Amino acid sequence: DGGITQSPKYLFRKEGQNVTLSCEQNLNHDAMYWYRQDPGQGLRLIYYSQIVNDFQKGDIAEGYSVSREKKESFPLTVTSAQKNPTAFYLCASSIAAQGIGYTFGSGTRLTVV
Amino acid sequence: GQQVMQIPQYQHVQEGEDFTTYCNSSTTLSNIQWYKQRPGGHPVFLIQLVKSGEVKKQKRLTFQFGEAKKNSSLHITATQTTDVGTYFCADSGSARQLTFGSGTQLTVLP
Repeated sequence: DGGITQSPKYLFRKEGQNVTLSCEQNLNHDAMYWYRQDPGQGLRLIYYSQIVNDFQKGDIAEGYSVSREKKESFPLTVTSAQKNPTAFYLCASSIAAQGIGYTFGSGTRLTVV
Repeated sequence: GQQVMQIPQYQHVQEGEDFTTYCNSSTTLSNIQWYKQRPGGHPVFLIQLVKSGEVKKQKRLTFQFGEAKKNSSLHITATQTTDVGTYFCADSGSARQLTFGSGTQLTVLP
């Protein structure tokens, strides 16, 4: 079955540590996205990529970095510069077709310990 | 960027009652998408509205896009416990990335 896989499901980070969240899709979608969700709030865009080897900052990119070396993969690194990283991180992908929404992964819950 | 306001933030209804969530913008929306996120889950795409005044139905769910394309609504008739979750609207904007509303968290009491 086609879909998006995010790993790990839960991740604990120590102060000052960088961590990388994995996102892999086998839907052959060109575009991929990272969103952050805080409790009781909507989704805020961190980074997005519409084509391999190209990506753009979203609304809250500070303290995060991404790469898009392969169409299937769009990993997100949460760096030590991100002062409040505890959140639910959602990866999504989409195809440039009318009426088709985003497909989301099941998310990674990151906690600073 | 584009700001999409969604109300109410929370809604508790008795099973069988109707429910409506509203999405508003001060500027013209491009296309509106609606998503449902079950507790502990991830958003799942429900529908997209494109045209001014458009109305679409999915069983007990009715989606509307305002005539001026500045608002949208999702109405659920006769709610069931399976409708529990957070409903998000999202504007697709001009650069193919979605701007999400803050969501309406629906609780259905049996």
